[in-house]
Order: sequence, then structure tokens, then C-alpha cells
Amino acid sequence: DQQVKQNSPSLSVQEGRISILNCDYTNSMFDYFLWYKKYPAEGPTFLISISSIKDKNEDGRFTVFLNKSAKHLSLHIVPSQPGDSAVYFCAASANYGQNFVFGPGTRLSVLP
Amino acid sequence: NAGVTQTPKFRVLKTGQSMTLLCAQDMNHEYMYWYRQDPGMGLRLIHYSVGEGTTAKGEVPDGYNVSRLKKQNFLLGLESAAPSQTSVYFCASSYGLGGKTQYFGPGTRLLVL
Repeated sequence: DQQVKQNSPSLSVQEGRISILNCDYTNSMFDYFLWYKKYPAEGPTFLISISSIKDKNEDGRFTVFLNKSAKHLSLHIVPSQPGDSAVYFCAASANYGQNFVFGPGTRLSVLP
Repeated sequence: NAGVTQTPKFRVLKTGQSMTLLCAQDMNHEYMYWYRQDPGMGLRLIHYSVGEGTTAKGEVPDGYNVSRLKKQNFLLGLESAAPSQTSVYFCASSYGLGGKTQYFGPGTRLLVL
């Protein structure tokens, strides 16, 4: 049973609009979360993180929101750009550990 | 500064053959990891290392062995390849405690016939 779920395999958004990628988790011990972006034929690259003591973290166009009671986090990209087209992975760790559980990813397509 | 590199990029094996995947990092990271990625699934941790000379099992360790003889290198071995091991393999490294961001290599695509 997947502990980290990304229920939308794909998402298409118009350039300039907001992209919202969702992630749900089942393990209440998870206390640190990461988002990675992956282009074809490349390894994932770190995008943004959030710890369970916060409910929001912002970095430029990227904002991650954490709702601990719902065991849900989301990544907002505003404004979306064609270069944001990639697969986005959500990952979570427990006890601030080093080992992460990854979701299956969401493929984002930003249309010009 | 190359970051994390993986060798080879692509390999085709026959069932029962063996091979070793090499991961190298030049960031002086303590932690190194091997993941596999399969369609429709997230990256799954195979083995990891918290320092030179140490290894530990991850989520899906069966059929794989690893070694970390030097801090900068982490080797993943398949002693007897099976079609179920067809996958894309990613290596990653990170700092020790407090440094949670993992830096990934470009991946090795392995096809077992």
C-alpha cells in the first residue's frame, strides 16, 4: 500500500496560470516533505521542502502548503512557465530521517 | 564539480548475468542511496549507506548487493539478473544529519531479457 500518493498522473495548465499539484500521505509519522522535479533522461532535482512545524513554505514562484490534519500537501507554481513541464515527485520522511518515501509522480504540461 | 555520476547509462542483460552499477559523487557527502523507478511507481529505496564502509537495506533490497569501499563511490551489484529487475536505477547522495536534500544522478536504464 502506497504511503505517499499523487492521485493525478498528469496535469495540463496554460502558461501564466497557476499549477496545483497534490500529494496525500497515510503515515502520521512523516514530518518532513520534499518536492522534486524530473526532466526526461535526467535525475530528479530538489525543488522545495517543508517540515511539519510549518504549514507553508515559499521560494520564488513555488509554494508548498502542508495540512497535517488532512495529511495533504500541495505545490503551487505561479505563474506557470513552459520550462516547468516535467514530472513532479512528492517525498516524505519520518522522524526527520534521511530515508524518503516517494509518490508516483505527476506529469505537468504547461502549454504556451 | 560533476555532482553525482552513474555508469553505465544503459545496459542490456540476459537473465542470470551479473553486473555492477557505479555511482560516484564529488560533494563529500556522507550518505548515498540506490533507488529504482518503475512505471506508475515512485522511486523505491534499494540500499543506502550512511558512511564509508557501511551499508543498509532499504525497501526493496532482494536480488541486489552494495558496497561503499570509498566515500565517493557506491556500487550496486546484481549477481543473477531477472526480468523483474528491468528498471531505471538512480543513485543519490546527501549530507549527514540535517542535510536532507538528496542530489540525484542521471540514472541507468537496465533491460533484462
